[in-house]
Amino acid sequence: QVQLQESGPGLVRPSQTLSLTCTVSGDSISSGGYYWSWIRQHPGKGLEWLGYIYNGRTAFSNPSLRSRLLISGDASKNQFSLRLTSVTAADTAIYFCAREGYSDSAPYYRVLDSWGQGIVVTVSS
Amino acid sequence: DIQLTQSPSFLSASVGDRVTITCRASQDITSYLAWFQQKPGKAPKVLIFGASALQSGVPSRFSGSGSGTEFTLTISSLQPEDFATYYCQQLNGYPRTFGQGTKLEIK
Repeated sequence: QVQLQESGPGLVRPSQTLSLTCTVSGDSISSGGYYWSWIRQHPGKGLEWLGYIYNGRTAFSNPSLRSRLLISGDASKNQFSLRLTSVTAADTAIYFCAREGYSDSAPYYRVLDSWGQGIVVTVSS
Repeated sequence: DIQLTQSPSFLSASVGDRVTITCRASQDITSYLAWFQQKPGKAPKVLIFGASALQSGVPSRFSGSGSGTEFTLTISSLQPEDFATYYCQQLNGYPRTFGQGTKLEIK
């Protein structure tokens, strides 16, 4: 059973860089077929997909944030990370890490099947 | 980006009711659609993938249908634990996108 756990600061100052880490157990971020993903949820709002890392090193970010967002992986620690620069109050959200893979049973579609519990990040001076 | 529009945004219903939530995509996503349930303070939980396949462990009162641009999530007989917010998500292209959510409340 895969488990994901987010960690990082709960408070970040405006214009600074937000760095979060997701620690994975029960699976390897280097294993093929899985996209290790970040999703966020603004207070009382819907879900926003941020990006993923694949094979522990190939990353893809949402174009809306690409200039500020870097997703990376550390296979030796079985962790993947998010780095968001020049944050503003609009980046205040719950940040989730999650695993996207193929379903266990037919039909074999991709699905976000495992999630961390989420971490609340507030951007404020 | 592929836009997903859910309707209704809010739904009030009673235990035992049958409810349907609709998700419309801005372009053809074939069957690459999932449905999630989210309760306050918790991460979303997948209910349906591939538009109509039930995730393991999810009660059979949940069902999904549709393809192309129009999809539905149906709960056949609401239980007290079903009152939550529901989201659809498309996995046909990037960036992945979600619907804005449907909050299901007790009448």
